[in-house]
Amino acid sequence: DTAVSQTPKYLVTQMGNDKSIKCEQNLGHDTMYWYKQDSKKFLKIMFSYNNKELIINETVPNRFSPKSPDKAHLNLHINSLELGDSAVYFCASSQEGQALNTEAFFGQGTRLTVV
Amino acid sequence: AQKVTQAQTEISVVEKEDVTLDCVYETRDTTYYLFWYKQPPSGELVFLIRRNSFDEQNEISGRYSWNFQKSTSSFNFTITASQVVDSAVYFCALSEYDTDKLIFGTGTRLQVFP
Repeated sequence: DTAVSQTPKYLVTQMGNDKSIKCEQNLGHDTMYWYKQDSKKFLKIMFSYNNKELIINETVPNRFSPKSPDKAHLNLHINSLELGDSAVYFCASSQEGQALNTEAFFGQGTRLTVV
Repeated sequence: AQKVTQAQTEISVVEKEDVTLDCVYETRDTTYYLFWYKQPPSGELVFLIRRNSFDEQNEISGRYSWNFQKSTSSFNFTITASQVVDSAVYFCALSEYDTDKLIFGTGTRLQVFP
């Protein structure tokens, strides 16, 4: 069974569109994250949620809106997509809420290409 | 400020060679955690190890070993007798105790040739 699953794995869309990426974890973890990996492989956190509450928002444009309907799900909605949004987006989860002293389990990534 | 530096952008070795990937970190916290992740060509991120700042014992897991030295703020990763399947991008990461995020280095691409 996949611990952290993201859908879709690939997403190609035109500039200006709105799209969502879904993430689910079946590990019973309290904390979920979104990370962005750019074309140079640089990984940076975007958001973290603990028990459905936003904990971290790393100066991400307002066009990005995470939504956590329950602690097992953290979806990422992106409005008005721009070319620069092309990247691989990783969802992750971890057990500890206040300190990342346990490993974060990552999903397989969603490769978003904006054309 | 938190920062992780992986100065080696790319390393190429021939199978069975030993290779060390360097990681240097910066933090003002006394309690922090260090991680290594592997990203194979398939793209997923695979957890390899976690170390807390109070545990400087080196660790060995099969062909993998890690050398944590607080005096030099380094957490280096050595693969002994490398194999083609070790080819991947390896990321070192830092998390401070009172934050809830991983700060990643820029990664080192390891290519192991047969």
